[in-house]
Amino acid sequence: QKEVEQDPGPLSVPEGAIVSLNCTYSNSAFQYFMWYRQYSRKGPELLMYTYSSGNKEDGRFTAQVDKSSKYISLFIRDSQPSDSATYLCAMSAGLRGSNYKLTFGKGTLLTVNP
Amino acid sequence: DGGITQSPKYLFRKEGQNVTLSCEQNLNHDAMYWYRQDPGQGLRLIYYSQIVNDFQKGDIAEGYSVSREKKESFPLTVTSAQKNPTAFYLCASSNIASGMIYNEQFFGPGTRLTVL
Repeated sequence: QKEVEQDPGPLSVPEGAIVSLNCTYSNSAFQYFMWYRQYSRKGPELLMYTYSSGNKEDGRFTAQVDKSSKYISLFIRDSQPSDSATYLCAMSAGLRGSNYKLTFGKGTLLTVNP
Repeated sequence: DGGITQSPKYLFRKEGQNVTLSCEQNLNHDAMYWYRQDPGQGLRLIYYSQIVNDFQKGDIAEGYSVSREKKESFPLTVTSAQKNPTAFYLCASSNIASGMIYNEQFFGPGTRLTVL
């Protein structure tokens, strides 16, 4: 079993739809959870960051973490064509001395159609 | 503007050649990283460095080498020993100040390497 599993898609939705992106993981030591957005041929940029379980909202984006199920989600409300990108989940155990280590999902390609 | 720069944007290599990818940051970050991204593979860690003159192997270091002579620079050499070097290479940096557990990694724009 891979440490982080993410459905690669592609996912295609109409403008205005609610988008749900998900990752599952197997390492119970993960406690920092991130979502990166990567436009085509660009470097990833951090979109959302969550520590431990719970929800975090930022504008149209909501990140959810359920550590008991080892499952994280990113919701995008009122999706826009500019949201079309690859979304990567990333996780870290955040252990002192090794906090460099991010484990990434493979990314989900999202297209929002006008 | 603060940020991470990578050069060149596109690089072509012949079989048997070594090539060096540049990564520079002016964020005053201590840690720097190199990732490789292949279609359907996500990001895989090649090397990382948390301090000048020190670096560690990541998950796929074979066929690559790095140096960290300056805080702001972390060049990656793709050697002829790397059997399948065609990929998108991403450099990142983060601030690992004392007491911090989590560190956000900031990414550069990437270099696309193609072996001819």
